[in-house]
Amino acid sequence: DVKVTQSSRYLVKRTGEKVFLECVQDMDHENMFWYRQDPGLGLRLIYFSYDVKMKEKGDIPEGYSVSREKKERFSLILESASTNQTSMYLCASSSTMREAFFGQGTRLTVV
Amino acid sequence: AQSVTQLGSHVSVSEGALVLLRCNYSSSVPPYLFWYVQYPNQGLQLLLKYTTGATLVKGINGFEAEFKKSETSFHLTKPSAHMSDAAEYFCAVSDRTDKLIFGTGTRLQVFP
Repeated sequence: DVKVTQSSRYLVKRTGEKVFLECVQDMDHENMFWYRQDPGLGLRLIYFSYDVKMKEKGDIPEGYSVSREKKERFSLILESASTNQTSMYLCASSSTMREAFFGQGTRLTVV
Repeated sequence: AQSVTQLGSHVSVSEGALVLLRCNYSSSVPPYLFWYVQYPNQGLQLLLKYTTGATLVKGINGFEAEFKKSETSFHLTKPSAHMSDAAEYFCAVSDRTDKLIFGTGTRLQVFP
């Protein structure tokens, strides 16, 4: 089975902290995604990576950056966390033109 | 740009009744279309997908969806709801760049 693993299920961080969310997939997928999920807004794409060191902005990239140094790992970085970044963050991976597989999510609270 | 509209943020049905969750999409190229389900405190799980070929697609747990190009729709149905179907359902569209865009979701409640 495909496995997408997010490093933490729950995180609490302080305003202004630099936050790293890590995601690892074990199926050699080319594509990896970071989404943010908020009630009533569904899943909004933050960043998308289609290859190592390649990235593309999604619909809401402001306040976030990403890193993909290895094919299996895709990191989401909050440079200076703010309270409006409190949310559920979902990582996913997919192979070309196939469905995406999701991790369990990280619920981030910024206080 | 591609987009997805899910009509109805909440749908309630009785156990045994028909489930119909609506999804309309916008895409400049022939799309790939997906339905995902999310149970509480879990990630998303694929229910079914349309890529090419037969427009009526069958998925897991008795769900199916029909791709209607003329209506730009991909509605999800199940003939008889079960209590275990209560969850949030997301429709998604992908163009050929593999970027996957989701709708806002529909929460399904099933009453006994």
